[in-house]
Amino acid sequence: GEDVEQSLFLSVREGDSSVINCTYTDSSSTYLYWYKQEPGAGLQLLTYIFSNMDMKQDQRLTVLLNKKDKHLSLRIADTQTGDSAIYFCAESSHTDKLIFGTGTRLQVFP
Amino acid sequence: GAGVSQTPSNKVTEKGKYVELRCDPISGHTALYWYRQSLGQGPEFLIYFQGTGAADDSGLPNDRFFAVRPEGSVSTLKIQRTERGDSAVYLCASSLPGQGMNEQFFGPGTRLTVL
Repeated sequence: GEDVEQSLFLSVREGDSSVINCTYTDSSSTYLYWYKQEPGAGLQLLTYIFSNMDMKQDQRLTVLLNKKDKHLSLRIADTQTGDSAIYFCAESSHTDKLIFGTGTRLQVFP
Repeated sequence: GAGVSQTPSNKVTEKGKYVELRCDPISGHTALYWYRQSLGQGPEFLIYFQGTGAADDSGLPNDRFFAVRPEGSVSTLKIQRTERGDSAVYLCASSLPGQGMNEQFFGPGTRLTVL
């Protein structure tokens, strides 16, 4: 079945770049997503990429997709303490249901 | 505008009891999804409605779980004979499918604790 894997934890200094990585198994994925979850808040869609693209940039966020290796990454430039949260990679295919990874907890320290 | 709302926000019940969790989607959204998030895990798909009908219920773990959406708006997730392993945050999302990416908007979730 479909599977999405992420590393569990990332710690960065404020002002540095963060890179969160994800691998997935479903070769029929149509869209790949990055969601942010903060304590007490709902899941928030940060950005997404269509499977026929290899890069998407949105302000401080850069998404890279290597479809051959089924590898997705999210780069956050100039990371701030407000970026501390859990980041989930997710994929969907024609069925529209989202398959989520286990989440990466990003901790930003001063 | 109003987002997806879920009630109750917290539910504590005893093993073996029946519970109902409610989801109010964004007005006009035809698609509605239920997910379950266990501690330290990502959300796991349960069921997806398009209008009143369940388009995909492949994620329901067993026949103790059932969901309805009788008028194509509000949905209720029903869990019979609850077990301690059912403890999790139950998330609802809604969307308006069309051409291209189908963004799902998530509610705050219902935290279910089975004692």
